Amino acid sequence: EVQLLESGGGLVQPGGSLRLSCAASGFTFSSYAMYWVRQAPGKGLEWVSGISGSGGITYYADSVKGRFTISRDSSKNTLYLQMNSLRAEDTALYYCASGACSGGGCYSYFQHWGQGTLVTVSS
Amino acid sequence: EIVLTQSPATLSLSPGERATLSCRASQSVSSYLAWYQQRPGQAPRLLIYDASNRATGIPARFSGSGSGTDFTLTISSLGPEDFAVYYCQQRSNWPLTFGGGTKVEIK
Repeated sequence: EVQLLESGGGLVQPGGSLRLSCAASGFTFSSYAMYWVRQAPGKGLEWVSGISGSGGITYYADSVKGRFTISRDSSKNTLYLQMNSLRAEDTALYYCASGACSGGGCYSYFQHWGQGTLVTVSS
Repeated sequence: EIVLTQSPATLSLSPGERATLSCRASQSVSSYLAWYQQRPGQAPRLLIYDASNRATGIPARFSGSGSGTDFTLTISSLGPEDFAVYYCQQRSNWPLTFGGGTKVEIK
């Protein structure tokens, strides 16, 4: 059974930093692209960042580019999101999600999701 | 950035009725569109990928169609567990983007 377990959220002041982690199990972690998707309270879904299976290619939404860094450690089956210079508008539930693979191909959809970790940016 | 517009924002239907949800893209995304369901307090669930392919374990009452800029998610007969928010998402261009969602509520 695929499991994704996020951690590291919490309350942080504007301008502060947090590091989110996502522990993966039940699948070959290094074979899948991984993503972070966030959801502000009462709002819709927003893709934040993605990383290839090898870790060599990363993508970011413009809203977080230059402030957030995605990384992965395949020896620990763990995905990370380092968040710096946090703003009030970064307040959200942050989900970790795996890419979708089917029929020999893998695609930039979100097949498996964790339950999320809440980040609140407030003074 | 490709903007996805979902309509209607809210759909009020009774159990057993047919639901038709729309997603329109600001430019062609070919068939590179997915649909997700999000129940209250839960993470989203992938329903449909590449416009018309059901994800693993998704019931046959869910179907997707469309290409280019206009897409439809159809739920043939609403079950009580289908009342939720539905999102579309495109993978044609970076950044990946979602629509604003359609809430399917009990009439």
